[in-house]
Amino acid sequence: DQQVKQNSPSLSVQEGRISILNCDYTNSMFDYFLWYKKYPAEGPTFLISISSIKDKNEDGRFTVFLNKSAKHLSLHIVPSQPGDSAVYFCAASRRASGTYKYIFGTGTRLKVLA
Amino acid sequence: DGGITQSPKYLFRKEGQNVTLSCEQNLNHDAMYWYRQDPGQGLRLIYYSQIVNDFQKGDIAEGYSVSREKKESFPLTVTSAQKNPTAFYLCASSIWREGYTFGSGTRLTVV
Repeated sequence: DQQVKQNSPSLSVQEGRISILNCDYTNSMFDYFLWYKKYPAEGPTFLISISSIKDKNEDGRFTVFLNKSAKHLSLHIVPSQPGDSAVYFCAASRRASGTYKYIFGTGTRLKVLA
Repeated sequence: DGGITQSPKYLFRKEGQNVTLSCEQNLNHDAMYWYRQDPGQGLRLIYYSQIVNDFQKGDIAEGYSVSREKKESFPLTVTSAQKNPTAFYLCASSIWREGYTFGSGTRLTVV
């Protein structure tokens, strides 16, 4: 059972436009969410996080939105740049339960076209 | 500089052989993890350890074994029982209430 889902395996966006990557989850007990970016043959790098007590977190060109009632989060990248082309993973955790563990989605491959 | 190191970057194994992937961190992180990445399947958890001398199976532990004798080290052995071992393996570490720091990965190919 996939508790964290990224239903779009790929996305293409023109340089300078907005990229929106989506993530859905099924477990209402998840209380902390992360986005990671991964280039081929490299480890993922942390991008941005959001706690369930917030509905938005912003860091430069990256903004994450959380809709708890819909169990949905999205990552907005504005403006998109060719260097943003990578695979993006969302991840969720039940930090209040004491676990360190995150559940990852299957990833969305973003291609930013110059 | 603190970080997490995986070695080797590329590894080739003959069918029927066991092979051990190394993961070392100097971040003083309590928890360490092993994930496997296959095309279209995201990151799947193999094993994780939250403290020394203790570890738990993840979602796809069959055919793998780990040890956690030191806080800094969490080696993964891919045994001959693993039916489809060719994959990209990622090690990560974390502390409580923080996200993961990942290594750069090891690509294992069975020849």
